[in-house]
Amino acid sequence: EAQVTQNPRYLITVTGKKLTVTCSQNMNHEYMSWYRQDPGLGLRQIYYSMNVEVTDKGDVPEGYKVSRKEKRNFPLILESPSPNQTSLYFCASSPSGQAYEQYFGPGTRLTVT
Amino acid sequence: QKEVEQDPGPLSVPEGAIVSLNCTYSNSAFQYFMWYRQYSRKGPELLMYTYSSGNKEDGRFTAQVDKSSKYISLFIRDSQPSDSATYLCASLYGNNRLAFGKGNQVVVIP
Repeated sequence: EAQVTQNPRYLITVTGKKLTVTCSQNMNHEYMSWYRQDPGLGLRQIYYSMNVEVTDKGDVPEGYKVSRKEKRNFPLILESPSPNQTSLYFCASSPSGQAYEQYFGPGTRLTVT
Repeated sequence: QKEVEQDPGPLSVPEGAIVSLNCTYSNSAFQYFMWYRQYSRKGPELLMYTYSSGNKEDGRFTAQVDKSSKYISLFIRDSQPSDSATYLCASLYGNNRLAFGKGNQVVVIP
């Protein structure tokens, strides 16, 4: 089944404790992206990647890191999480040249206390 | 500019009614316009996309873009309880990036 998977789905952590949210897609898509979704603010892009080893900042990159060493994986790293990073996170992927057709993962609900 | 504005107010309609959702955008360079549907506790899924102005129909769903007024619309005919979800408009800009509206929660009452 073609899909985007994220792990973990739920995470509660404490301020300053480094964490990684994994994202993997099995559709051989070149484009991958991370979003956060907050009430009243909608979906905002954190980082995106057009292909392996190519990453770019989105609208809200502060406090996040990403890497794209393999085509299928695009992990999101929070080096020192803070409470304002409590949010619902989505990973998405799309075929090259069709970024309008993004396939989203199921989401990761992160709480930072 | 990359803003897509969507009035996030919830919308409740009786089953069988027509649902009408609207967004506006600010950048005349936007070319692709999308509607995503998001069920509770799920990721968004692409419903439809249109390129430039015009209408596009898919079953009970019609997407409309009016570039002269920078207006994006989605109509759902014969609405069903299974259409209850949040609907997000979006536009493609820059280097293959999406700008999303804040979403409209739609509740179809049986």
